[in-house]
Amino acid sequence: QSALTQPRSVSGSPGQSVTISCTGTSSDVGDYNYVSWYQHHPGKAPKLMIYDVSKRPSGVPDRFSGSKSGNTASLTISGLQAEDEADYYCCSYAGSISYVFGTGTKVTVL
Amino acid sequence: EVQLVESGGGLVQPGGSLRLSCAASGFTFSSYEMNWVRQAPGKGLEWVSYISTSGSTIYYADSVKGRFTISRDNAKNSLYLQMNSLRAEDTAVYYCARVGVGSPFDYWGQGTLVTVSS
Repeated sequence: QSALTQPRSVSGSPGQSVTISCTGTSSDVGDYNYVSWYQHHPGKAPKLMIYDVSKRPSGVPDRFSGSKSGNTASLTISGLQAEDEADYYCCSYAGSISYVFGTGTKVTVL
Repeated sequence: EVQLVESGGGLVQPGGSLRLSCAASGFTFSSYEMNWVRQAPGKGLEWVSYISTSGSTIYYADSVKGRFTISRDNAKNSLYLQMNSLRAEDTAVYYCARVGVGSPFDYWGQGTLVTVSS
């Protein structure tokens, strides 16, 4: 499968909101409610932020929220904080026990 | 605390082999399915392989099928990835990741770098 499409970068000032889109196809994002999002600080272990489109694991701030419409999923970070600066990847189940990740988005806090 | 620690990466020539290990702690390893995921330099994440709790069910990405073998030893709380016939395009940081409730990758290790070059 082809990687899901994400914007290369998004930025915002502290306290603002940013939204990262994740566009797939009717064979992955559009067909399953199994979209997850990962925060990755380079050199560290990626961290699960959202699963099943909009569910937050315990310990993840409620500033992070997820949604989906058609073939596009979105991650919104509200009340942006300096520690949110990182790379973010979406991931979707793509059938037959395979997964496809997004191209990745660098979030910059201005 | 869940911990996953990868090891075994390094420099290998094209066509060579390497075996990665992932040591798990802080949870009942035998009760969790596991995955390998990789990230090539400057690229995004790519799912590589999946293994069930008993090791009886295994899946691979098409890019590694027939060359890589995933396995686990529940007695040793360890996950493995045997990589054969390595190519330059296999150069990447390799992560092991646990399958959790609702997510195929709920905890990750910090990764081990594999470089395939002559």
